[in-house]
Amino acid sequence: SQQGEEDPQALSIQEGENATMNCSYKTSINNLQWYRQNSGRGLVHLILIRSNEREKHSGRLRVTLDTSKKSSSLLITASRAADTASYFCATNRDNYGQNFVFGPGTRLSVLP
Amino acid sequence: NAGVTQTPKFQVLKTGQSMTLQCAQDMNHEYMSWYRQDPGMGLRLIHYSVGAGITDQGEVPNGYNVSRSTTEDFPLRLLSAAPSQTSVYFCASTRRGGREAKNIQYFGAGTRLSVL
Repeated sequence: SQQGEEDPQALSIQEGENATMNCSYKTSINNLQWYRQNSGRGLVHLILIRSNEREKHSGRLRVTLDTSKKSSSLLITASRAADTASYFCATNRDNYGQNFVFGPGTRLSVLP
Repeated sequence: NAGVTQTPKFQVLKTGQSMTLQCAQDMNHEYMSWYRQDPGMGLRLIHYSVGAGITDQGEVPNGYNVSRSTTEDFPLRLLSAAPSQTSVYFCASTRRGGREAKNIQYFGAGTRLSVL
């Protein structure tokens, strides 16, 4: 079963607008991560938020985590055409190992 | 640094054929993993390794074998390919380190595999 589930599945916005993607998960976590995947490429790590953090910023990215609701959101502000990609959340089932679980992703299209 | 290198980029197999997907990293990372990505399902973990000589199963290990004889290489073997193994395969590596570092994965560009 999937640990992370993103919504929406697809999102289309105009350049300059903000994009918000959500992720829900099922079990307790140590941290949650967001990755970006450009078409035909591998995933690239964006940001990690620990379970004891509620919000984290990195450039135009803002991530929130609500462990009581088992959910996270990724906000991309002032979006650009180059932000067009799929975005995935990932959690680690095992604090000590490498047993990661990814959600199905959100496809973001930023129109010029 | 090349990072994580996967070969081949594309492969077409017939049902029942075997092949090995190669993965190499030059970052001296201890941890390596194999995923498959299918439409609408995100990435699913096949096998992973926390060091040379140590491997473990992920969510979907059936039909795949791995070994880790060196830190740099982590090949994935399909012993008898089936159409259900048509997918895009990604290799990733992570360095052992602090709480955050060991969770940050570096991905290769992927291998697109079609099994006819």
